[in-house]
Amino acid sequence: QVQLVQSGAEVKKPGASVKVSCKAFGYTFTSYYMHWVRQAPGQGLEWMGIINPSGGSTNYAQKFQGRVTMTWDTSTSTVYMALSSLRSEDTAVYYCARGQRVAAAGPGWFAPWGQGTLVTVSS
Amino acid sequence: SYELTQPPSVSVSPGQTARITCSGDALPNQYAYWYQQKPGQAPVMVIYKDSERPSGIPERFSGSSSGTTVTLTISGVQAEDEADYYCQSADSSGTRYVFGTGTKVTVL
Repeated sequence: QVQLVQSGAEVKKPGASVKVSCKAFGYTFTSYYMHWVRQAPGQGLEWMGIINPSGGSTNYAQKFQGRVTMTWDTSTSTVYMALSSLRSEDTAVYYCARGQRVAAAGPGWFAPWGQGTLVTVSS
Repeated sequence: SYELTQPPSVSVSPGQTARITCSGDALPNQYAYWYQQKPGQAPVMVIYKDSERPSGIPERFSGSSSGTTVTLTISGVQAEDEADYYCQSADSSGTRYVFGTGTKVTVL
């Protein structure tokens, strides 16, 4: 079945960078968009951006532009999310979530989701 | 920036009906999706394209749309439905995705 498996928890110091991976199983990797979403402790869901694994085009939320980079590796069916210049407010669980088919028109859904990766930013 | 507004909380007795609203200016032109999130777990989609139910989601979950408001209805609420619920859509350009503020459903 379709499954997304993320890398393990990270602890980083302010100013550092983090890179989280998301490996896809059970479907044609290049046929679906992939989103990244984060959730700070006790807070709601926040969309960070989307990547098209068929070609690599990206669309980042304005809040994260300049600090986030989403990449992909077709050979391992893995997408990556790198966030730089970390600050304490970036402490959150980071999720990848499959979007809709690349060939489909219009925006779509987030399903399924990875298990989440806790990133803690602390001095 | 575009926002989707939900009530912070809804309380309901077992067997009753819970209704969660989500308001946003672009909802007449963009589909809405609903997600259930239980503590310590990743979200799960329970409604897509305003009113469609994914396979495996109980029939007591339904969605509707009217103008700038979409509604998630849980009929015959069960204790296992206690969770946070988020709506999700896109802005009028279709390029910016947004989640609602979230609603905590408490089963009394």
